[in-house]
Amino acid sequence: GENVEQHPSTLSVQEGDSAVIKCTYSDSASNYFPWYKQELGKRPQLIIDIRSNVGEKKDQRIAVTLNKTAKHFSLHITETQPEDSAVYFCAASTGNQFYFGTGTSLTVIP
Amino acid sequence: DTGVSQDPRHKITKRGQNVTFRCDPISEHNRLYWYRQTLGQGPEFLTYFQNEAQLEKSRLLSDRFSAERPKGSFSTLEIQRTEQGDSAMYLCASSLLRTGNNGYTFGSGTRLTVV
Repeated sequence: GENVEQHPSTLSVQEGDSAVIKCTYSDSASNYFPWYKQELGKRPQLIIDIRSNVGEKKDQRIAVTLNKTAKHFSLHITETQPEDSAVYFCAASTGNQFYFGTGTSLTVIP
Repeated sequence: DTGVSQDPRHKITKRGQNVTFRCDPISEHNRLYWYRQTLGQGPEFLTYFQNEAQLEKSRLLSDRFSAERPKGSFSTLEIQRTEQGDSAMYLCASSLLRTGNNGYTFGSGTRLTVV
């Protein structure tokens, strides 16, 4: 089955700096890669996603890149704000269920 | 809130007891998924339904776990003879078949504590 690894497990940045979270996956059949933000005690919420036929996608301060050959994808958050502090999960899917990474706890220091 | 609803939000039970959770998906969504999330980990897939058919079950879903979606609407997840290792957040999600992976919406989860 699919194995998704995520790094780093914790990340602290100064407000206004950029944050990068990286994930790798093992199943070359995976074709959909969402990123979720989860605040303490709340449900995971989709923040951005990318399909395997696209190399990069951007939505305001958030961008995701995908390298199918290397089987890795990354989340980039620019101009970080304190409200970006949360746990971020990457996931990979071949069409049905998601396989999630172990999460990155991001802290944005004001 | 017209999203995915889960009930109860919290459940504390003694080891060996049976528990049942309910998930009400977004009404037009015909796919429904169950995940388990332990502290510090990402959600782990348990099972999913397309309408009333249970299409896939993870190896994580032991014989003590059973899920149903009898009318293709709400779903229940039952855990029999609970163990301390069952303590986790149980998340439900739903999506539209025709959008494939798009539209995945998670519920707020049921936090189970087995004492």
